[in-house]
Amino acid sequence: DVVMTQTPLSLPVSLGDQASISCRSSQSLVHSNGNTYLHWYLQKPGQSPKLLIYKVSNRFSGVPDRFSGSGSGTDFTLKISRVEAEDLGVYFCSQSTHVPPTFGAGTKLELK
Amino acid sequence: QVQLQQPGAELVKPGASVKMSCKASGYTFTSYNMHWVKQTPGQGLEWIGAIYPGNGDTSYNQKFKGKATLTADKSSSTAYMQLSSLTSEDSAVYYCARKGDFDYWGQGTTLTVSS
Repeated sequence: DVVMTQTPLSLPVSLGDQASISCRSSQSLVHSNGNTYLHWYLQKPGQSPKLLIYKVSNRFSGVPDRFSGSGSGTDFTLKISRVEAEDLGVYFCSQSTHVPPTFGAGTKLELK
Repeated sequence: QVQLQQPGAELVKPGASVKMSCKASGYTFTSYNMHWVKQTPGQGLEWIGAIYPGNGDTSYNQKFKGKATLTADKSSSTAYMQLSSLTSEDSAVYYCARKGDFDYWGQGTTLTVSS
């Protein structure tokens, strides 16, 4: 199975800061069709995960433009340009290029 | 709007089976895969498998073969996951999620296996 490694596991921030989360995969996530199926989610306490970014850099419907995704191959990054209170929670990356789909362990974005 | 409705909780005894439901609305149920994901504090998020309701085709994580069985009822737009021979290791939150990018998730069913 593809191992997804997220860093850091905890990210203390102040509101208005920029935040950056890294996700590395144990194999290339480039599919034979040329697409890269790397996605990002946010899970708030007591809620289910919500899709933020799909296929590396595409913002899902309704996701603010302060969220951006980048990367290629095995190395990916999620950036939040100016953290707001509603952005706090646990961020997960996931890949669906290879079967089974796998998830990172999560990065907890919290206030300093 | 797309919605996936799941019961909030199930309590079952060790050795028993449970069948969880995920009722879809707001889109054409038969057009997209429905996935199931397990979440525990220790193992994190794990993909169990998926079903294509259009024709019933299924795909399973090797780890959950023999444990989980996925079905779908087109008439009620409901996906089901049956878990068998339950142990405490099966206690978790189980989510259904649509499509390969998991664009919409249910609220999750908390399964507690306890005597």
